[in-house]
Amino acid sequence: GAVVSQHPSRVICKSGTSVKIECRSLDFQATTMFWYRQFPKKSLMLMATSNEGSKATYEQGVEKDKFLINHASLTLSTLTVTSAHPEDSSFYICSAVTPDTQYFGPGTRLTVL
Amino acid sequence: AQKITQTQPGMFVQEKEAVTLDCTYDTSDPSYGLFWYKQPSSGEMIFLIYQGSYDQQNATEGRYSLNFQKARKSANLVISASQLGDSAMYFCAMSDYNTDKLIFGTGTRLQVFP
Repeated sequence: GAVVSQHPSRVICKSGTSVKIECRSLDFQATTMFWYRQFPKKSLMLMATSNEGSKATYEQGVEKDKFLINHASLTLSTLTVTSAHPEDSSFYICSAVTPDTQYFGPGTRLTVL
Repeated sequence: AQKITQTQPGMFVQEKEAVTLDCTYDTSDPSYGLFWYKQPSSGEMIFLIYQGSYDQQNATEGRYSLNFQKARKSANLVISASQLGDSAMYFCAMSDYNTDKLIFGTGTRLQVFP
């Protein structure tokens, strides 16, 4: 099956710093990628749709200035959590869309101290 | 608005037995897709099975089958011959054909015991 990678897998940062998370489709091109956020023992909540060559579209309630998304190529989307705060600590998962389904990355656990 | 409901927060099953994980959905869109994902403790989301709203036959993938009852708006996952490695969280999800966005249920934690 298709493979999607995320980097880093874990990151710990101080409050106020920015963190960039990369999502790569390794063996296919993805015009669309999604970013999800998962709280402990909770379901995944869609944050935004990342479209190659255009601006991301954000779900209601998601701050676009805080969660910057850049889909620079057909195999790479990045999520930057700007001025991170402890409440941003979460598990972030990306997915890449193929004609048949979505493939998820392994996730990035962000801890903001 | 679309909605996915998983009413079983946790399920137990003995190894080699079959188990059914419930999922009901609500949508006014005639075109949609239904998915099941497995999330082990590592956190990765593993695709298991897909059912399209117009598919006539229930989807099957190895030990996984989807019991699709369109009139009841249910898409239960059946795992046959459970294995210890099946212990994980299982999420039901729905997408619409236009946006590919997935809406997830709250998940069911399955524990397989020897």
